[in-house]
Amino acid sequence: NAGVTQTPKFQVLKTGQSMTLQCAQDMNHEYMSWYRQDPGMGLRLIHYSVGAGITDQGEVPNGYNVSRSTTEDFPLRLLSAAPSQTSVYFCASSYAGGQSSSSYNSPLHFGNGTRLTVT
Amino acid sequence: GNSVTQMEGPVTLSEEAFLTINCTYTATGYPSLFWYVQYPGEGLQLLLKATKADDKGSNKGFEATYRKETTSFHLEKGSVQVSDSAVYFCALSHKAAGNKLTFGGGTRVLVKP
Repeated sequence: NAGVTQTPKFQVLKTGQSMTLQCAQDMNHEYMSWYRQDPGMGLRLIHYSVGAGITDQGEVPNGYNVSRSTTEDFPLRLLSAAPSQTSVYFCASSYAGGQSSSSYNSPLHFGNGTRLTVT
Repeated sequence: GNSVTQMEGPVTLSEEAFLTINCTYTATGYPSLFWYVQYPGEGLQLLLKATKADDKGSNKGFEATYRKETTSFHLEKGSVQVSDSAVYFCALSHKAAGNKLTFGGGTRVLVKP
């Protein structure tokens, strides 16, 4: 089982450059999301999607774009990288999306992360 | 809004010692509560969960009880091993927020042989 696959594992960007972090899952999960992890701050939600064609903003969306053209893929785009975006990024997915009665009990499955440094 | 507060680390223990990581939360109604664990170089994985008051989640020797009266979900293990060295995250979800989780800041645990 591949689960949630993120690429690349490491990336160094210069300020102003753009790039796309890739995320794919093979579990047919409806819900996918992107978090960033910063020391002492836990994980903060950037964007999420409850199904193909549907995306929404999380807690810290500025500077990032997402799209969900297929169930499997949920790429995160950095439009113009800034040093404040230096972080570890995690993609996560789960079975049920939206506000169904069971969705909030569904555990998230995480990828192994992408460590991004912006100089 | 919802929030989760957990004790700061690092917590350093000897093998076979007792581990407690405190977690308290702020939320309306009855959220679901989770503990996730992150081993070095990996993503987070679910350790245990509890979905209603007084529920006890357990897995791999870890336990946590959902205490509505103290809004707490403390993680405990009676005898830790070196392999338990990791970062532990407390988190909550709420029916109104669907799958969106609110995480605590994480607690790094280091177990020495």
